[in-house]
Amino acid sequence: QKEVEQNSGPLSVPEGAIASLNCTYSDRVSQSFFWYRQYSGKSPELIMSIYSNGDKEDGRFTAQLNKASQYVSLLIRDSQPSDSATYLCAVNSGNNDMRFGAGTRLTVKP
Amino acid sequence: DAGVIQSPRHEVTEMGQEVTLRCKPISGHNSLFWYRQTMMRGLELLIYFNNNVPIDDSGMPEDRFSAKMPNASFSTLKIQPSEPRDSAVYFCATRLENSGNTIYFGEGSWLTVV
Repeated sequence: QKEVEQNSGPLSVPEGAIASLNCTYSDRVSQSFFWYRQYSGKSPELIMSIYSNGDKEDGRFTAQLNKASQYVSLLIRDSQPSDSATYLCAVNSGNNDMRFGAGTRLTVKP
Repeated sequence: DAGVIQSPRHEVTEMGQEVTLRCKPISGHNSLFWYRQTMMRGLELLIYFNNNVPIDDSGMPEDRFSAKMPNASFSTLKIQPSEPRDSAVYFCATRLENSGNTIYFGEGSWLTVV
């Protein structure tokens, strides 16, 4: 079992819709969780971090964390074509390293 | 403020040659990560340093790969001898540990072994 699992997609949504991205992790002692966005040919860049159970909102982005279920999600409201990218879930694991999921490729169609 | 700086950005080399990738972390950051990214395997953690000391090298694929961090300002990832299956993008990322734990990536080194 991989330490961080994501649905690889691709996920396609129409412009203006909500995109929902999901991630599960295996290390129960993990305390820090991150979503990165990666455009084709570029390096990953941080979108959001979340440390406590519940929701955290930043503009059109909402991260959700449920430690009991070992589940992290990212919602993108009012999706724009510029949101088309690969979204990577990252987990700071027990020995303080950082593990990434395989990424979900999102396409927002105009 | 300069970000993580990697070199070379692109390298094409022949099978059997030695490859050395370099990384300069963000000033003041005390943790450094080397990742490899391919379409098939995604973003894999190769090795993680904290305060210049290797903490976890379980991701280093085999003895052909080695990494060093001789000081807080520099790290290298070496592949000797290189093989075609080593073709990938190699990312260096750094952070200030216990300050939110966010890591920041360099632009990557695109390696092609022919």
